[in-house]
Amino acid sequence: GAGVSQSPSNKVTEKGKDVELRCDPISGHTALYWYRQRLGQGLEFLIYFQGNSAPDKSGLPSDRFSAERTGESVSTLTIQRTQQEDSAVYLCASSPLLAGGGYEQFFGPGTRLTVL
Amino acid sequence: DQQVKQNSPSLSVQEGRISILNCDYTNSMFDYFLWYKKYPAEGPTFLISISSIKDKNEDGRFTVFLNKSAKHLSLHIVPSQPGDSAVYFCAADSNYQLIWGAGTKLIIKP
Repeated sequence: GAGVSQSPSNKVTEKGKDVELRCDPISGHTALYWYRQRLGQGLEFLIYFQGNSAPDKSGLPSDRFSAERTGESVSTLTIQRTQQEDSAVYLCASSPLLAGGGYEQFFGPGTRLTVL
Repeated sequence: DQQVKQNSPSLSVQEGRISILNCDYTNSMFDYFLWYKKYPAEGPTFLISISSIKDKNEDGRFTVFLNKSAKHLSLHIVPSQPGDSAVYFCAADSNYQLIWGAGTKLIIKP
């Protein structure tokens, strides 16, 4: 498809287990973002990839969270030793990052993570 | 410290009337703003944007107004339709990242 896809759409896991979330951005988009949205709250920035530059990890809440991106394609967000407070919808977005700034991000449908 | 604030968590508007969603920001260096709409179980979708060189941008039923001196922007939807019921997020562009507001849930009453 032409849009951003994420898998799985839903993930239920037990506290302490590791989870891996996947994002396939729109082809040709150089920028990729991960956000999370807890119930009743706004979007919380996690990490940003831009081309071959070092990712901006300033939003990652703890060292249990990590993300990788292969070139300008797929990204995976890994949460180790999940905690109940990690329960949220994890959203991925990609952007063509046009020269001169002023752009929009295209979002995937999200992965709903529930930690029991 | 929230740099982008949407102080109304929800707003209820009669169908056919105008919906006005507000957003305030604190950083005067922000120069590009976007509004996103989000339905349940879907990712946000881009709605409309405005650059700081303008004070108004219009797209069909949607108009965004920017007041730089007040660090305030608003989204007007007129006339409001039932399909407009969603959560609306305001975001500010900061070095290719978006700083998001908490969102306002808009409910259009028939």
